Amino acid sequence: QVQLVQSGAEVKKPGASVKVSCQASGYTFTSYAVHWVRQAPGQRLEWMGWINPDNGNTKNSQNFQGRVTITRDTSASTAYMELSSLRSEDTAVYYCARLPPYHSSGYYFFDYWGQGTLVTVSS
Amino acid sequence: DIQMTQSPSSLSASVGDRVTITCRASQSIRNYLNWYQQKPGKAPKLLIYAASSLQSGVPSRFSGSGSGTDFTLTISSLQPEDFATYYCQQSYSPLMYTFGQGTKLEIK
Repeated sequence: QVQLVQSGAEVKKPGASVKVSCQASGYTFTSYAVHWVRQAPGQRLEWMGWINPDNGNTKNSQNFQGRVTITRDTSASTAYMELSSLRSEDTAVYYCARLPPYHSSGYYFFDYWGQGTLVTVSS
Repeated sequence: DIQMTQSPSSLSASVGDRVTITCRASQSIRNYLNWYQQKPGKAPKLLIYAASSLQSGVPSRFSGSGSGTDFTLTISSLQPEDFATYYCQQSYSPLMYTFGQGTKLEIK
């Protein structure tokens, strides 16, 4: 069955970086885009960016002003999201999510999600 | 960015009730609208995509409708496991997905 398993919770100081992993199983990793979405306490879901695991192409939300780097390791079927220059407002649960190819339905949606990784930024 | 606004923000209902949640987009998104259910401490779960297509495995009491700027999610007969927070999401602008603020469905 399809699974996205994320790395564990992190506590970081302001100004530091955090790298969250998302290991995929149960499907061909390179056939589905991986997106990253975060949710600050009591806030709505916020899209951060995505990677095409097949060719490594990425696109990030401008809301993060270049602080997001998304990479992948196809040999490990794992995607990574690194967020730099952390501030307290970055305290949130970070999710990876799978997006099926457009040609499979003609639409974009996240059909499987990781379990989430809590990142706490505190001095 | 396309802004998504849900109403109401919270809703109290009883088991067996019919419930409708509304989502409005700041511009036309055709039918590029998805609905997710999220329970406390869990990841969102896809319910509806393309405004009205039921995701595989989702009970038929869930349905979606709408196009353009106005959309609805309807639960025909609430079950105990349906009490959760529901989010709409537009996928019309695929490089800047945006979500509604959520509707928390609580037990009356």
